[in-house]
Amino acid sequence: DTAVSQTPKYLVTQMGNDKSIKCEQNLGHDTMYWYKQDSKKFLKIMFSYNNKELIINETVPNRFSPKSPDKAHLNLHINSLELGDSAVYFCASRHRATNTGELFFGEGSRLTVL
Amino acid sequence: AQSVTQLGSHVSVSEGALVLLRCNYSSSVPPYLFWYVQYPNQGLQLLLKYTTGATLVKGINGFEAEFKKSETSFHLTKPSAHMSDAAEYFCAVRMNAGNNRKLIWGLGTSLAVNP
Repeated sequence: DTAVSQTPKYLVTQMGNDKSIKCEQNLGHDTMYWYKQDSKKFLKIMFSYNNKELIINETVPNRFSPKSPDKAHLNLHINSLELGDSAVYFCASRHRATNTGELFFGEGSRLTVL
Repeated sequence: AQSVTQLGSHVSVSEGALVLLRCNYSSSVPPYLFWYVQYPNQGLQLLLKYTTGATLVKGINGFEAEFKKSETSFHLTKPSAHMSDAAEYFCAVRMNAGNNRKLIWGLGTSLAVNP
């Protein structure tokens, strides 16, 4: 069983469209994250949810809206896609109470905006 | 403020040679330290971590790292590189006290292993 699963793995779309990426973890973790990795492999945290509550909201355009229906799921909706949104988006999870705890990552969702 | 510096965005070694990937951090208190590896077209996975105790930490796939407080370093080593070690390696730190316990990432080091 995949611990952190993301769908879709690949997404190609036109500028201006709206798209969503879904993430699910079966590890029983209480905290989930969205990261963006650009073409230079730089990792930037976007959002973090703890038990469905938003706890980290970095400087991200309002076009990006995360939603956590329960602590095992964290989805990312992107409105009015722009060329600069092309990247790999990673979902990750961990137990927040364990400061030493590692992050478990999904395999990523590669978004290409044309 | 915390920061992480990985010296060398690209490192190339021959198969069988020593791997040394450098990581230095700045933090007002000893942080928790992590090395993650990202194989091509995959997510990141933990290689090893330092929290407390023994400063030499062993991880998966024969990697190890040593926490040196005096040098604020946490360099990653492997005695003998294998072709399968070719990947992107990320160093990360997290404060172990205070209100801001965000994970701070280095920019990554791409390791190439030549036959």
